[in-house]
Amino acid sequence: QKEVEQDPGPLSVPEGAIVSLNCTYSNSAFQYFMWYRQYSRKGPELLMYTYSSGNKEDGRFTAQVDKSSKYISLFIRDSQPSDSATYLCAMTLAGSNYKLTFGKGTLLTVNP
Amino acid sequence: DAGITQSPRHKVTETGTPVTLRCHQTENHRYMYWYRQDPGHGLRLIHYSYGVKDTDKGEVSDGYSVSRSKTEDFLLTLESATSSQTSVYFCAISEHTGETEAFFGQGTRLTVV
Repeated sequence: QKEVEQDPGPLSVPEGAIVSLNCTYSNSAFQYFMWYRQYSRKGPELLMYTYSSGNKEDGRFTAQVDKSSKYISLFIRDSQPSDSATYLCAMTLAGSNYKLTFGKGTLLTVNP
Repeated sequence: DAGITQSPRHKVTETGTPVTLRCHQTENHRYMYWYRQDPGHGLRLIHYSYGVKDTDKGEVSDGYSVSRSKTEDFLLTLESATSSQTSVYFCAISEHTGETEAFFGQGTRLTVV
């Protein structure tokens, strides 16, 4: 079993939809959780960062972490065509030199 | 954008030849990482550095070596390139003060023929 599981999609939604992206993980020691967005042929860019369990909101984006279920989510409200990208979850352990373990990424297309 | 430059951006090389990829940063960040990205596998850590001359292996380090002689440069060497090393290689940097944010370069697309 891979440490971090993420449905690769692809996921296609109409503009304005609420998008839910999810990852599960097996290592209960993960403490820092991140979501990256990657446009085609570009490097990943950090969208959201969460430490331990809880929610974090930034504009149209909300990240949730449920450590008891080993499950993290990213919600995108009022999705826009510019949100079309691959979304990668990542996580890391404290004291590990912050090496990131990534999910495989979910390809999202928002149709105008 | 964080000051990270990867070179070259594209390279085609022959099986068995050595190849060196360069990552240069202007942020003075302590940590630097090399990842490879392949369809069906996502991003996987090859090697990383936690200071000048301090490096360690990642998940997929076989066939790769790294060097960091100064803070701003982190080199990844494929000692004898194989077709299985055809991939997109990303460098990342991080400082880890406060939030754990890693900044990624634009990537190097390497093809081994």
